[in-house]
Amino acid sequence: DTAVSQTPKYLVTQMGNDKSIKCEQNLGHDTMYWYKQDSKKFLKIMFSYNNKELIINETVPNRFSPKSPDKAHLNLHINSLELGDSAVYFCASSPVGGHTEAFFGQGTRLTVV
Amino acid sequence: GENVEQHPSTLSVQEGDSAVIKCTYSDSASNYFPWYKQELGKRPQLIIDIRSNVGEKKDQRIAVTLNKTAKHFSLHITETQPEDSAVYFCAANTGTASKLTFGTGTRLQVTL
Repeated sequence: DTAVSQTPKYLVTQMGNDKSIKCEQNLGHDTMYWYKQDSKKFLKIMFSYNNKELIINETVPNRFSPKSPDKAHLNLHINSLELGDSAVYFCASSPVGGHTEAFFGQGTRLTVV
Repeated sequence: GENVEQHPSTLSVQEGDSAVIKCTYSDSASNYFPWYKQELGKRPQLIIDIRSNVGEKKDQRIAVTLNKTAKHFSLHITETQPEDSAVYFCAANTGTASKLTFGTGTRLQVTL
């Protein structure tokens, strides 16, 4: 039974398009995140939500809009995709913010052509 | 904000040797320090973590040490095996503890 699942696993799209990535966790965690991993493997936090409320927005362009309909789901919508958005996007969740282990989803490899 | 530095960026060791990866952090209020292993094409997964009230923690061939005064912590892997080859990330939580900040990663290659 997958703990943190995100879809799709791969996403290839043209510049200028709008796309969404979905994430769900069945661990009952309060906190969910989006991380971006670039080609150099750097893992950078983008957003953090606690009980559906946005608590961290790490100066991400406003083309990126997260949405949390409930505490088990955190989706990421990206408008007007650019070449530089190509990366692996990881969703993660943790029981208590940064105090405890973050569990990662399998990642979504986004390629913008 | 929190800044986590990690060294080295790449590390090659022979099977059976030890590997050490070091991290420093900037936020003196940080109190949780996990280490993650990411195999090629896979998700990062926790391998060991340490809290600020402990100086060392071991789990079989893996150990982590923490020096709060100097604000650095290290991962030690003994008797390395080919399956230890992966990218390893250290992390530290912020003072507000609302997120984990990751180091830049170390690519460990264990050769036969």
